[in-house]
Amino acid sequence: AQSVTQPDIHITVSEGASLELRCNYSYGATPYLFWYVQSPGQGLQLLLKYFSGDTLVQGIKGFEAEFKRSQSSFNLRKPSVHWSDAAEYFCAVGSPGGYNKLIFGAGTRLAVHP
Amino acid sequence: DTGVSQNPRHKITKRGQNVTFRCDPISEHNRLYWYRQTLGQGPEFLTYFQNEAQLEKSRLLSDRFSAERPKGSFSTLEIQRTEQGDSAMYLCASSLGGGSPTEALHFGNGTRLTVT
Repeated sequence: AQSVTQPDIHITVSEGASLELRCNYSYGATPYLFWYVQSPGQGLQLLLKYFSGDTLVQGIKGFEAEFKRSQSSFNLRKPSVHWSDAAEYFCAVGSPGGYNKLIFGAGTRLAVHP
Repeated sequence: DTGVSQNPRHKITKRGQNVTFRCDPISEHNRLYWYRQTLGQGPEFLTYFQNEAQLEKSRLLSDRFSAERPKGSFSTLEIQRTEQGDSAMYLCASSLGGGSPTEALHFGNGTRLTVT
């Protein structure tokens, strides 16, 4: 069965510092991978997605993620964090059902210090 | 693109009561999903519709839960005889259909249910 692990429950960084959020997945074939962001009391907004091709994908708000098949990882990065990036971040893997049912990790809550 | 709309935003109910939530997907999207999110967890899949057909239900969806999507437009999720364990955020999402499975899901802002 597919699964997603986000090892870090909570991360705190200073504004302007770089950021890397970890995501490991378990999936038998080439996965469809996603990162979503959720602000308090809100729904989820798509940051970026990987389906195939270039393993480094660019997303909105200056985020990028790199797919590493050998490590079963899809880590999210941002070179310089802004206070408005404080939110919860979810990694997700698409199922093989053909209709894009997503399996989510438990999330990483990001706090940004001024 | 007016986005996925969910109503109500918040619902407080007493244990044993029935509740119904509504989701209006993005108009051209024929796939619709319901997810449940509890505090500190990621969303968990509940059910999926392609047009008006409910094609998959999670084991999380007990017989107290029922979802419909008449005419393939809006959807409703009803919970009968609510229990305190039903307290959660209920998220609706939609996506384009067709042959590609690679469309991303667009989420609404959710309905937060509190069962007292």
